[in-house]
Amino acid sequence: AQSVTQLDSQVPVFEEAPVELRCNYSSSVSVYLFWYVQYPNQGLQLLLKYLSGSTLVKGINGFEAEFNKSQTSFHLRKPSVHISDTAEYFCAVSEDYGQNFVFGPGTRLSVLP
Amino acid sequence: DVKVTQSSRYLVKRTGEKVFLECVQDMDHENMFWYRQDPGLGLRLIYFSYDVKMKEKGDIPEGYSVSREKKERFSLILESASTNQTSMYLCASSLSSFTNQPQHFGDGTRLSIL
Repeated sequence: AQSVTQLDSQVPVFEEAPVELRCNYSSSVSVYLFWYVQYPNQGLQLLLKYLSGSTLVKGINGFEAEFNKSQTSFHLRKPSVHISDTAEYFCAVSEDYGQNFVFGPGTRLSVLP
Repeated sequence: DVKVTQSSRYLVKRTGEKVFLECVQDMDHENMFWYRQDPGLGLRLIYFSYDVKMKEKGDIPEGYSVSREKKERFSLILESASTNQTSMYLCASSLSSFTNQPQHFGDGTRLSIL
């Protein structure tokens, strides 16, 4: 069965600085990968997804992620963050021919002025 | 855009009460899901449904049941609420059974059991 690790529970960063949120997964089969963002008191919103093809995936709000099969990683990056990016970010994986998503524990990004 | 609507944003109930959480999606999605979200634990799947009147247990079904009488509506039921069920509950839907389909979430119901 698949599992997802997000090594950083909290990431503080100054406004306009770059950020990387790390996600690693374990699975023995092909996977699909997703990043979601959750703003305070809201549900989860899809940021981007990797299904196949190019390993560099661009999403909404200037975020991108790179799928690295050999390292079983799918790290999320943004070159310059804004205050409005303060939120919790969840990585999720689903297996080909599997049943459901598995979500990581989340990373709380705090953008400081 | 997909709209997933949860009937209540905040709910306060008493121990032992039967509690209903309602979720409606407007995009004719086949799949619907109920999660609970707790700090440090991420999202944990309670139940899901691939079709009307069909349900499958997730990772933490104990103390919960579900109902899906119509395709657009998926209800979560706490048979006898307990304080350890105080949590944020999130409903989601996805287009089909293919696992490459993203899930779309409602805004959540923050449930407090006193």
